[in-house]
Amino acid sequence: QLQLQESGPGLVKPSETLSLTCTVSGGSISSSSYYWGWIRQPPGKGLEWIGSIYYSGSTYYNPSLKSRVTISVDTSKNQFSLKLSSVTAADTAVYYCVVKLLGTLNFDYWGQGTLVTVSS
Amino acid sequence: QTVVTQEPSFSVSPGGTVTLTCGLSSGSVSTSYYPSWYQQTPGQAPRTLIYSTNTRSSGVPDRFSGSILGNKAALTITGAQADDESDYYCVLYMGSGNVVFGGGTKLTVL
Repeated sequence: QLQLQESGPGLVKPSETLSLTCTVSGGSISSSSYYWGWIRQPPGKGLEWIGSIYYSGSTYYNPSLKSRVTISVDTSKNQFSLKLSSVTAADTAVYYCVVKLLGTLNFDYWGQGTLVTVSS
Repeated sequence: QTVVTQEPSFSVSPGGTVTLTCGLSSGSVSTSYYPSWYQQTPGQAPRTLIYSTNTRSSGVPDRFSGSILGNKAALTITGAQADDESDYYCVLYMGSGNVVFGGGTKLTVL
């Protein structure tokens, strides 16, 4: 049973870079069965897919965020990370790290989510 | 960008049947979009109910079912229970690795 845990600052200043890490336990991030990704949810609003990465390093990003997003994998630490640059208040959200089963849209495992607030 | 549409809200009586839909602002939803459905209760992470149109996720009761109805994906709840009161999100694969969630449907059971 995979378990995911997000970590990172809960407060980021406008124009700075939001950085989050997801630590994976119960399985290997080098598994060929999964994509690893991020989904966010602004307070009181719906879900937004941010992007996904395969263990090989192949990445897919939401076109509306693509110019600001980088997702990377650290296989030595069994972690993957999110960086979102030039943040504004609109980026305030609960950020979830997720695991997606290959070949489906089954985001089978979710972290508990971490609230990131963008404010000066 | 194409918008994924869902009913903002819906209500169902306990024991009743309700069908939530997931459409596109332009075009029809087919199995090629791998429509999937998530349930979210307040303060919790979403959980998968249905993926790839009609595959029930592990542990999901069989009163939840997925299908394509006309030009939309559909989630049907048969025999609604009080604890089905949640937000329901559909998600579609738009090609080239792009994934888009619908705005969600708030289901009330009363």
